[in-house]
Amino acid sequence: GAGVSQSPSNKVTEKGKDVELRCDPISGHTALYWYRQSLGQGLEFLIYFQGNSAPDKSGLPSDRFSAERTGGSVSTLTIQRTQQEDSAVYLCASSQSKRSHSYEQYFGPGTRLTVT
Amino acid sequence: SQKIEQNSEALNIQEGKTATLTCNYTNYSPAYLQWYRQDPGRGPVFLLLIRENEKEKRKERLKVTFDTTLKQSLFHITASQPADSATYLCAPGGGQKVTFGTGTKLQVIP
Repeated sequence: GAGVSQSPSNKVTEKGKDVELRCDPISGHTALYWYRQSLGQGLEFLIYFQGNSAPDKSGLPSDRFSAERTGGSVSTLTIQRTQQEDSAVYLCASSQSKRSHSYEQYFGPGTRLTVT
Repeated sequence: SQKIEQNSEALNIQEGKTATLTCNYTNYSPAYLQWYRQDPGRGPVFLLLIRENEKEKRKERLKVTFDTTLKQSLFHITASQPADSATYLCAPGGGQKVTFGTGTKLQVIP
């Protein structure tokens, strides 16, 4: 079946503009994660959705960042008033239900965001 | 706060040898630990999961150990091949949330 997809693959935007990044998880996966990876750095956790529970937003770096997940499937990460330090690769991952104790995450190819 | 440490230096080994990568963590008691492989320009790919009550896990040429007393996991690739060249990330976790290390870049030289 299809893996996790993300769009766009690349996004160049001017400082101060808003951007929306999209993630389509694997069908049936109830958990969805957003991470940020700067050049040569590890993955920085941003936000986690699990089913209908309130999302874990503890990793969002500022109130300029927000995310939603509609219908338990597609997710959108929005960055308002982008800054140059927001430039990074934004990765989305999905995972099966916690009841299966399957914790492996399946990652999308990422969106490379460049703020000029 | 939680801290995950992996060798920041790249690891270069000769083809056919065993590569050993280290992951140390502090201020953390994970229920399990995952290892992922990441190739340039791609998202990480899951390799193995080892739980806190398991000492060792194997999958083909891969072997992972988990020492909760030392707060350390070792990741071994036996009979390494140039195709094993990549960055390897450890990710200790609890529930459905993990914390990723910065990764170790492995280069297998033919």
